[in-house]
Amino acid sequence: GENVEQHPSTLSVQEGDSAVIKCTYSDSASNYFPWYKQELGKRPQLIIDIRSNVGEKKDQRIAVTLNKTAKHFSLHITETQPEDSAVYFCAATRQGAQKLVFGQGTRLTINP
Amino acid sequence: DGGITQSPKYLFRKEGQNVTLSCEQNLNHDAMYWYRQDPGQGLRLIYYSQIVNDFQKGDIAEGYSVSREKKESFPLTVTSAQKNPTAFYLCASNQIRVNTEAFFGQGTRLTVV
Repeated sequence: GENVEQHPSTLSVQEGDSAVIKCTYSDSASNYFPWYKQELGKRPQLIIDIRSNVGEKKDQRIAVTLNKTAKHFSLHITETQPEDSAVYFCAATRQGAQKLVFGQGTRLTINP
Repeated sequence: DGGITQSPKYLFRKEGQNVTLSCEQNLNHDAMYWYRQDPGQGLRLIYYSQIVNDFQKGDIAEGYSVSREKKESFPLTVTSAQKNPTAFYLCASNQIRVNTEAFFGQGTRLTVV
């Protein structure tokens, strides 16, 4: 089955700098890669996703890149702000898969 | 709220008691999931179900049980066999066949007293 590895587990950046979180997956058939943000005490919520037919997707300050050959995808947050502080989860799955597989999570802290 | 509701938000249980956490969705999703989250930790899969009357064990199923009698409902029972049940429990649902995003409930914080 699918296995997703996420790095780093914790990340601290200065406000205004960029943050990058990376995930690798094992199943070459996976074709859907969402990213979730979980603020303290709240539920995870989707912030961006990418499908395997594109290599990059951007939404304002966040972007996701996908390298199918290397089987890894990354979340990029530019011009970080204090409200970006949260735990971020990546996930991978494919059509017909039994379940959505999550990475271990990255705790991002934005320092003022 | 994304159409998926968990109740209660906070739950206290005495040692040795079973307790059931509710999860209901009105998104017409086939797949439903239960995750456990400990402080500072990731999402660990307890059970999942792709279809009514069928469910599969996740990575940490011991001490837990589920049922899926209706498409909309996927209750989780934390039994007395679960040695360390105090945690934050999240229910989620999605449509695996067409790869849609997963929606999460607001979570239930279970504390054993």
